[in-house]
Amino acid sequence: AQSVTQLDSQVPVFEEAPVELRCNYSSSVSVYLFWYVQYPNQGLQLLLKYLSGSTLVKGINGFEAEFNKSQTSFHLRKPSVHISDTAEYFCAVWAGNMLTFGGGTRLMVKP
Amino acid sequence: KAGVTQTPRYLIKTRGQQVTLSCSPISGHRSVSWYQQTPGQGLQFLFEYFSETQRNKGNFPGRFSGRQFSNSRSEMNVSTLELGDSALYLCASSLSGAQDEQFFGPGTRLTVL
Repeated sequence: AQSVTQLDSQVPVFEEAPVELRCNYSSSVSVYLFWYVQYPNQGLQLLLKYLSGSTLVKGINGFEAEFNKSQTSFHLRKPSVHISDTAEYFCAVWAGNMLTFGGGTRLMVKP
Repeated sequence: KAGVTQTPRYLIKTRGQQVTLSCSPISGHRSVSWYQQTPGQGLQFLFEYFSETQRNKGNFPGRFSGRQFSNSRSEMNVSTLELGDSALYLCASSLSGAQDEQFFGPGTRLTVL
C-alpha cells in the first residue's frame, strides 16, 4: 500500500516570497504523482502531475515540482507567491489502483 | 463544457438513516471516483466506477456503496448513518481513471445528528 506525508500542515509566507511545500511518499511500485489545490469554498483543481520523463514538472499559476526518486519526494515550489495563492494544497500518489492523498498543507500568504 | 455537478450540496440526517448522493460527471468522462473529506482523516478514497463497474474500492465499511449508470452519472449510498459519517463527500470525474487529471465537483456536505 502507498502512503503520502505532507510534512507541514500550515505554511505562512509573505507575499512575493518563495515557498516550498514538502511531500514524501512510500510505495513498493512505480507511481504517478500529483499536486491538487483547493481554494476556499471551491473544489479541488489539478496544479501539476508527474507521470514519467523530466523530473521537473511545471504546472499552472507558476508552480513547479521536482520528483526525486531516491528520496521519494515530490516537493512543490513557487518563486514568488501572491495573495491569491492562499489555499490548501494536496499531494497525491497513484500506484495502480487508487489515488492516495496527503493530509494537506494550508498555504497562508500575508501582505 | 459543464463541470462536475453534485446534488444535493447540503444534507442533514439523523443517526440510523440512509442517504443517497448524486454526481454528474463531465460529458465524455467514463470514470467517477468518490472521496470523503474530514478535518481529522483528510481526503480518503471511497470507490471508483468505470463504465458502470466498480473498479477500485477503498477501506470503508459495506455501509458505503455506489453505482454508475449508463450515462456515467453516479450515486453513492450510505446506510445506517453514524455521527462519524459527517463529512464533505467529493466526486471526481476523468476520462479513464485517477491516473488522469480528475475534475472535482463542489461536494456534498453531510451532517449527521
